[in-house]
Amino acid sequence: DQQVKQNSPSLSVQEGRISILNCDYTNSMFDYFLWYKKYPAEGPTFLISISSIKDKNEDGRFTVFLNKSAKHLSLHIVPSQPGDSAVYFCAASVKGAQKLVFGQGTRLTINP
Amino acid sequence: NAGVTQTPKFQVLKTGQSMTLQCAQDMNHEYMSWYRQDPGMGLRLIHYSVGAGITDQGEVPNGYNVSRSTTEDFPLRLLSAAPSQTSVYFCASRGQGRTTNEKLFFGSGTQLSVL
Repeated sequence: DQQVKQNSPSLSVQEGRISILNCDYTNSMFDYFLWYKKYPAEGPTFLISISSIKDKNEDGRFTVFLNKSAKHLSLHIVPSQPGDSAVYFCAASVKGAQKLVFGQGTRLTINP
Repeated sequence: NAGVTQTPKFQVLKTGQSMTLQCAQDMNHEYMSWYRQDPGMGLRLIHYSVGAGITDQGEVPNGYNVSRSTTEDFPLRLLSAAPSQTSVYFCASRGQGRTTNEKLFFGSGTQLSVL
């Protein structure tokens, strides 16, 4: 039972353009969502998060959008840079729970 | 500040062997956890601990044991390794409290192969 799904295993974007990574969830109890970025041979690192009381959170080139009615969130990267090439995981949690549930990950490749 | 340190980085085991993956953090984090990463499956929680002496199961606990005798260390034990346990293992920690409740700090991983 995959509660958090990233249906695109990979995405290729030209440098300077917008990258949009998508994530869907099924558990309506999730109230906090995060994106992590992972380079090869390294552990994931936190990128950006959003609470369910908001529909948008921005941090520099990174913006996360949350559509609760559709149970969908997306990560926008503008403009995309070569250093953004990595695997991106979305994750979700239920308030008070001690567990983060991760999606399968999307490999983003930024082409020069 | 080392953060979360995992050892070893690579390990090859034969089926039936036992081993312990080590994890240590120097951030005085109360919460520690173990994840495994498999292709197409993302990161799945194995076990977690909210403090010394307290552990609990995650999504995929079978075949793994944990203990938490100190705040700093959270070892993961494979009692009898199986090929299905071939994976990349990540240890992660965070502080308690709502504001840092979900932001995990990960180690660099242990790549385990069971033959």
